[in-house]
Amino acid sequence: KAGVTQTPRYLIKTRGQQVTLSCSPISGHRSVSWYQQTPGQGLQFLFEYFSETQRNKGNFPGRFSGRQFSNSRSEMNVSTLELGDSALYLCASSFGGARETQYFGPGTRLLVL
Amino acid sequence: ELKVEQNPLFLSMQEGKNYTIYCNYSTTSDRLYWYRQDPGKSLESLFVLLSNGAVKQEGRLMASLDTKARLSTLHITAAVHDLSATYFCAVDMDYQFYFGTGTSLTVIP
Repeated sequence: KAGVTQTPRYLIKTRGQQVTLSCSPISGHRSVSWYQQTPGQGLQFLFEYFSETQRNKGNFPGRFSGRQFSNSRSEMNVSTLELGDSALYLCASSFGGARETQYFGPGTRLLVL
Repeated sequence: ELKVEQNPLFLSMQEGKNYTIYCNYSTTSDRLYWYRQDPGKSLESLFVLLSNGAVKQEGRLMASLDTKARLSTLHITAAVHDLSATYFCAVDMDYQFYFGTGTSLTVIP
């Protein structure tokens, strides 16, 4: 089975721009979660989607948004980028999302200049 | 808010030695996960501990869970260089994983 894939793998943007990251879960998985990883804050939960519905959202500003499509692929969008948004963005998938191991993709490394 | 704490944050150990990483959490969860992350890479699932007293072993790593003490341990036996990585524990609640701060392990020849 193919693993979780994320595109793009690397991205450089400037402040004020917006960015869209994509995640394709493992086939058959319907839950997709997004995390931001930084050296200072560690791994922080952004949001979780299941069957196109957001079930939980972390403590991030409204500039961070996401969505999930009917094929379970998910995108997250960050508008009006700030320097502090530079991070590794990780996507994880699982079958049902609750009380299951999450399988992580390789991540998208975003650098905001 | 759910807290997950790991210690130590940094661990440098010689090959062949044993050591334990501790993970404390603040909720009454009966399930705990351990992940490994190599530099610049994503997270790899190591163990899922499903109940109080659960113990799982894979190679030189052994994880255990004490839900009453809200404590999990990851024991490293006879460390080898290939185990150098950052190890995270995590608990889940409300469709969200709460990760510990991570323990950066360096095994020195």
